[in-house]
Amino acid sequence: GENVEQHPSTLSVQEGDSAVIKCTYSDSASNYFPWYKQELGKRPQLIIDIRSNVGEKKDQRIAVTLNKTAKHFSLHITETQPEDSAVYFCAASIGANKLIFGAGTRLAVHP
Amino acid sequence: KAGVTQTPRYLIKTRGQQVTLSCSPISGHRSVSWYQQTPGQGLQFLFEYFSETQRNKGNFPGRFSGRQFSNSRSEMNVSTLELGDSALYLCASSGGLAGGPYEQYFGPGTRLTVT
Repeated sequence: GENVEQHPSTLSVQEGDSAVIKCTYSDSASNYFPWYKQELGKRPQLIIDIRSNVGEKKDQRIAVTLNKTAKHFSLHITETQPEDSAVYFCAASIGANKLIFGAGTRLAVHP
Repeated sequence: KAGVTQTPRYLIKTRGQQVTLSCSPISGHRSVSWYQQTPGQGLQFLFEYFSETQRNKGNFPGRFSGRQFSNSRSEMNVSTLELGDSALYLCASSGGLAGGPYEQYFGPGTRLTVT
């Protein structure tokens, strides 16, 4: 069935380092891939997204890459800061506005 | 524009009872999706409504139902509550016309505890 796998489940980096989170999706019909950041006790916040007709998208320190052939997409955060600490979720859209989420990655950025 | 709002924010119910949660989308958005978030199962899609019609449905039992009103506000109902229904219920609002997918913006959630 529809599935999104996300790795790693936890990630610890030093401030200023880069962080990479990887996801794999199962449904080749998926065409929209958002990333959400969820801080403790808060709602998921959309931070970046990519559509299947684009291979890469960047927004300041955050970038997302998509490999449709391999059904992989990744989130790259450069120059990490303590405020980047949160749980990050990838998702794939299976049909209009139906998101299948990965299990999440807990990112800790240490000063 | 005001963001997505959900009421109530917290609920405590007893097994066997039923509950109704409400979601008001961003002004002008016609799509509302509902998700269940638990530590064990993560974020799971329940259903999506667009212009008062259910467009998509997840793999949840029939005890979970929803509806959408003409002003795009949506409600979800859970009947015959079970302990396993304890979760954070999130709704997400999306703009765009028919079709999609489009960006989804989440509300703060309703924390449901079933005892």
